[in-house]
Amino acid sequence: NAGVTQTPKFQVLKTGQSMTLQCAQDMNHEYMSWYRQDPGMGLRLIHYSVGAGITDQGEVPNGYNVSRSTTEDFPLRLLSAAPSQTSVYFCASSYDLAGGQETQYFGPGTRLLVL
Amino acid sequence: GQNIDQPTEMTATEGAIVQINCTYQTSGFNGLFWYQQHAGEAPTFLSYNVLDGLEEKGRFSSFLSRSKGYSYLLLKELQMKDSASYLCAVRGNYGGSQGNLIFGKGTKLSVKP
Repeated sequence: NAGVTQTPKFQVLKTGQSMTLQCAQDMNHEYMSWYRQDPGMGLRLIHYSVGAGITDQGEVPNGYNVSRSTTEDFPLRLLSAAPSQTSVYFCASSYDLAGGQETQYFGPGTRLLVL
Repeated sequence: GQNIDQPTEMTATEGAIVQINCTYQTSGFNGLFWYQQHAGEAPTFLSYNVLDGLEEKGRFSSFLSRSKGYSYLLLKELQMKDSASYLCAVRGNYGGSQGNLIFGKGTKLSVKP
């Protein structure tokens, strides 16, 4: 199993450009989520999905869109990039929403710089 | 509101024991996780507590007191490779889903020879 994969690893954008961060998992997990991690801020939830066709907003959703057409994929779209979106983005997945010690598995991250 | 507090930085000596504390105030509680994150890498799971008490896993132990909203991660026989950030996260009813985790800002641990 590859686990959780993310592409690209690094990206530089200009203000106003749009792009999609890809996330895929091969563990048949129902729950998937996107976080951003900024120095001194910890991991903050952007959007999450509890299954194919179902998405919802997290703590910091503005400027981002998501969709979940399949169980495996959960892309994150930046509609019009802004310097404030410079961050490290992590995708995570887990099998069950709230059952026991089922942890979230994190992808390797995408480092995004918006100029 | 949701709030998770942990110290920003800690320093310890190789071979010693260090305790990293975490206090939380969240709406709902369905487990507390500790993750390890080396610089430039993704967080990886260390431990899980849902009932009060101590969970031991090799050199790492984690304690939970739900009535006090308090947890700690205990690292024994510290090794240089333990230098990393340690993230405390609570799973509750955040955002309407019991699957969402609320993370603290992390504690950066430096292990010195």
